[in-house]
Amino acid sequence: DAGVIQSPRHEVTEMGQEVTLRCKPISGHDYLFWYRQTMMRGLELLIYFNNNVPIDDSGMPEDRFSAKMPNASFSTLKIQPSEPRDSAVYFCASSLVVGLRSNEQFFGPGTRLTVL
Amino acid sequence: GQQLNQSPQSMFIQEGEDVSMNCTSSSIFNTWLWYKQEPGEGPVLLIALYKAGELTSNGRLTAQFGITRKDSFLNISASIPSDVGIYFCAGLNAGGTSYGKLTFGQGTILTVHP
Repeated sequence: DAGVIQSPRHEVTEMGQEVTLRCKPISGHDYLFWYRQTMMRGLELLIYFNNNVPIDDSGMPEDRFSAKMPNASFSTLKIQPSEPRDSAVYFCASSLVVGLRSNEQFFGPGTRLTVL
Repeated sequence: GQQLNQSPQSMFIQEGEDVSMNCTSSSIFNTWLWYKQEPGEGPVLLIALYKAGELTSNGRLTAQFGITRKDSFLNISASIPSDVGIYFCAGLNAGGTSYGKLTFGQGTILTVHP
């Protein structure tokens, strides 16, 4: 089975540009998570969805960040306008609520974003 | 916010040595997970623990859910070069109201010299 798929794997953009990161969760999973990883702050949860509905977006750093999940197989994380401090690796993860194993999250390969 | 203290921050060992790392929390956790991340990749789930005192193995890896529910350790026996990577603990706070909001440790960077 395919794991979590993210695109692009690498993105280099200039400050002020709009950036859109994409994620396809594992088929059948009902939770989707967006994380950001930096050396300074480690792994931070930005937002997560259950059955396509945003549940907790308290980790979204500011209004420049937005996320959508129009259907069960696709989600986007958008940054507009982008700033150099947004440079990081962004991960998407998904999980399936099945009894005790509900908290096992499976991560995609990440998108390395560089904002110049 | 909730934090996990993971130690050590880094380890440099010789191939064949055993490795031990741990995570502690100031509050009780319901779930402990251990992940490994290799360069350029996302974290990969190694072991999941759901009950206090639980001891689980996955090949050369063994992890335990502490009796107090505030700590967990991961052991790697007879390390090999491909064990290199960053190991993260993650937990779900028992007092939390948001399912799925895992808290991650800072990571342990493991280097294995052949």
